[in-house]
Amino acid sequence: DQQVKQNSPSLSVQEGRISILNCDYTNSMFDYFLWYKKYPAEGPTFLISISSIKDKNEDGRFTVFLNKSAKHLSLHIVPSQPGDSAVYFCAASVWGGSEKLVFGKGTKLTVNP
Amino acid sequence: DAGITQSPRHKVTETGTPVTLRCHQTENHRYMYWYRQDPGHGLRLIHYSYGVKDTDKGEVSDGYSVSRSKTEDFLLTLESATSSQTSVYFCAISAGGDGYTFGSGTRLTVV
Repeated sequence: DQQVKQNSPSLSVQEGRISILNCDYTNSMFDYFLWYKKYPAEGPTFLISISSIKDKNEDGRFTVFLNKSAKHLSLHIVPSQPGDSAVYFCAASVWGGSEKLVFGKGTKLTVNP
Repeated sequence: DAGITQSPRHKVTETGTPVTLRCHQTENHRYMYWYRQDPGHGLRLIHYSYGVKDTDKGEVSDGYSVSRSKTEDFLLTLESATSSQTSVYFCAISAGGDGYTFGSGTRLTVV
């Protein structure tokens, strides 16, 4: 029973274009969402987050959008760069709960020069 | 990132032997977690700790045990390693409410 779903295992885009990574969740109690980026042979690193009181959060080239009614969030990367090539994990939790993050399976992004 | 370290980084062990992985933090964070990463499965929670001697199971805890006798150390033990436990293991820490910091991982191979 997957509570956080990333239905695209991989995505390939051209350098300079927009990358859109999608994530769906089923648990309506989730109110805090995060994206992590992972390079090979390294641990995941925090990228950006959003709480359920917002519908958008921006940090430089990275923007996360949250649609609570659809239980859907997306990560936009504009413009995409070859260094963005990595696996991206979506994660969700209940704020102030046990602090456990539930992760999706990840999407491997490849940005082609 | 010196705030969290995992040891060993790589280990090869034989089926049936016990194995202990160590996670050490210098951040004095309350929460510590062990995840495993496998192709097609993403990151799955094995066990977590919300304080010294306070631990709980995650979604894939069978065959694993943990201990936390000090704030800074969280040990993951495979009582009797099996080939299905070949994986990359990540430790993570959290102060609560702001996401995790992950270690660099331990690649475990059970032959």
